Amino acid sequence: EAQVTQNPRYLITVTGKKLTVTCSQNMNHEYMSWYRQDPGLGLRQIYYSMNVEVTDKGDVPEGYKVSRKEKRNFPLILESPSPNQTSLYFCASSLSVSYLNTEAFFGQGTRLTVV
Amino acid sequence: KQEVTQIPAALSVPEGENLVLNCSFTDSAIYNLQWFRQDPGKGLTSLLLIQSSQREQTSGRLNASLDKSSGRSTLYIAASQPGDSATYLCAVWDSGAGSYQLTFGKGTKLSVIP
Repeated sequence: EAQVTQNPRYLITVTGKKLTVTCSQNMNHEYMSWYRQDPGLGLRQIYYSMNVEVTDKGDVPEGYKVSRKEKRNFPLILESPSPNQTSLYFCASSLSVSYLNTEAFFGQGTRLTVV
Repeated sequence: KQEVTQIPAALSVPEGENLVLNCSFTDSAIYNLQWFRQDPGKGLTSLLLIQSSQREQTSGRLNASLDKSSGRSTLYIAASQPGDSATYLCAVWDSGAGSYQLTFGKGTKLSVIP
């Protein structure tokens, strides 16, 4: 089944403790991205990657890191989480920015709470 | 910078009614427009994708239209059912300021009353 898989689905952590949220897709998509969703603010892009070893900042990249060493994986890293990073996070993928008329697929989300 | 607006923010209708959700965007130079459904605390499910060269797409009881020149899209839901209750999100794909991304509206929360 074609899908985007995020792990974990739920995470509670303490301020300053490094964490990684994994994202994997099995559709051979070139483009992957991370969003956060907050009440009243909607979905905002954190980082995106157009292909392996190519990553760029989205609208709200502060406090986050990403890497794209393999085509299928795009982990989101919080080096020193803070309470304002408490949010619902989504990973998405799409075939390619060379073929922009393509559908975006989203993972099931990771609910992160930083205390 | 692209901005996407969805009106209304919330909508409550009786079962069986036909309804229209509206989406507007400020920059008409988009590549495509996608409608999603989100259930509370859940992920986004893609409903319809309209390519920039298309004017509408249909899937079952759903019909989405796109008017790029006026910066508008509508999602028509026929014969609404309680299972249609969810938040509906409109998103446009563009490359404004060199950043490739989907820009989302804040959604319309739909409640279908049995």
